[in-house]
Amino acid sequence: QVTLKESGPVLVKPTETLTLTCTVSDFSLSNARMGVSWIRQPPGKALEWLAHIFSNDEKSYSPSLKSRLTISKDTSKSQVVLTMTNMDPVDTARYYCARILRYYYDHRGYYLSVSIRRFDTWGQGTLVTVSS
Amino acid sequence: NFMLTQPHSVSESPGKTVIISCTRNTGSIASNYVHWYQQRPGSSPTTVIYEDNQRPSGVPDRFSGSIDSSSNSASLTISGLKTEDEADYYCQSYDGSDSLVFGGGTKLTVL
Repeated sequence: QVTLKESGPVLVKPTETLTLTCTVSDFSLSNARMGVSWIRQPPGKALEWLAHIFSNDEKSYSPSLKSRLTISKDTSKSQVVLTMTNMDPVDTARYYCARILRYYYDHRGYYLSVSIRRFDTWGQGTLVTVSS
Repeated sequence: NFMLTQPHSVSESPGKTVIISCTRNTGSIASNYVHWYQQRPGSSPTTVIYEDNQRPSGVPDRFSGSIDSSSNSASLTISGLKTEDEADYYCQSYDGSDSLVFGGGTKLTVL
């Protein structure tokens, strides 16, 4: 059974750097069709995609947060790490990691010039509060 | 980057049908598949529709998806509403240049 589990601090101070770890099981970070993404959700608000990383070390970041984010992976440990610098109270949110699928043939068997990217399994999330 | 706009909330009675829209502001809704996630209170999101209209195994056929190029929008239709369908629903798509987009979410109340 595929699972993802987030870990990291519950509380960070403003201006500090947040480091979150996602540990995955029952799938390999070396699988070309799969990657790990980080998504956050402030209390009572919408989901916001942050970043993802694939087996070939392809990384993507939310344009609005790109300057503050770094994503990396350790395939041997089945872990993906996200760092976010210069934390602010507005960054208070539940942070999820999710498995992201990347593929080019849709359900009809048609080849697509642009890959499909969607999430199929999510972790339970970890609530991070930013406060002094 | 494009945006996906959803109604903030919808409500309907048990047994009825509700449609949740997801409108793309720039670029064609048909250019990249739309996926829908259900998030029940206190839980992580789960997929109810992928690739515009495909249901994962285990999702009842009361859930269906479609796109409408004329309105540049995708829709999630839930028929035969049950109280267990009460949740937040999010659409998601991909712009082909490594940026994923979620809609703002729709709170479904089944009264």
